Amino acid sequence: SAVISQKPSRDICQRGTSLTIQCQVDSQVTMMFWYRQQPGQSLTLIATANQGSEATYESGFVIDKFPISRPNLTFSTLTVSNMSPEDSSIYLCSVEDRTTEAFFGQGTRLTVV
Amino acid sequence: DQQVKQNSPSLSVQEGRISILNCDYTNSMFDYFLWYKKYPAEGPTFLISISSIKDKNEDGRFTVFLNKSAKHLSLHIVPSQPGDSAVYFCAAGRRWAGGTSYGKLTFGQGTILTVHP
Repeated sequence: SAVISQKPSRDICQRGTSLTIQCQVDSQVTMMFWYRQQPGQSLTLIATANQGSEATYESGFVIDKFPISRPNLTFSTLTVSNMSPEDSSIYLCSVEDRTTEAFFGQGTRLTVV
Repeated sequence: DQQVKQNSPSLSVQEGRISILNCDYTNSMFDYFLWYKKYPAEGPTFLISISSIKDKNEDGRFTVFLNKSAKHLSLHIVPSQPGDSAVYFCAAGRRWAGGTSYGKLTFGQGTILTVHP
């Protein structure tokens, strides 16, 4: 299975600023996804990162707040823009390989103060 | 609308005994179900999955049962070990026409399993 590297692993940010999270996979994968896990909550899908085109966002998530890039089949970024304390969460990158089930990076623990 | 529910926030089990974690879903379009285990400060780790064409799948100490009519699945861990202590998430998804897509998943709230020595 592919190895996923997610950076940073954690960060503390000031409200009103933006943070870009990187997800690097050691092999080409078809699908990449971004999830959020708010404190004490389940994992919620933010968007599907499409290679070479705009991301597909789930209900409740918009591109202006969570812009996503996917320049190639091994890399994606998620930006959390104009942060507020409500954005404090764990953000997770997930990839799908057609031969196996979806697996996850170690996550980015974001705290907004 | 919570399409995947894990109604037990926590479960405590003695080492060597069986752990049974439960999950209910409401969306009849789901046709693929997975269980993930998550330790603090780590991402979820895939454990076991089951397709809707089966009612049971077994992998070592882990067995998943699916009752489609009841829209219910369960994960059995036998025997339970202290290292199994973690948060367990149930997830559900759909296969896409012409291929498969396991990545777009709907998760339950998780159950904290504690296995006591």
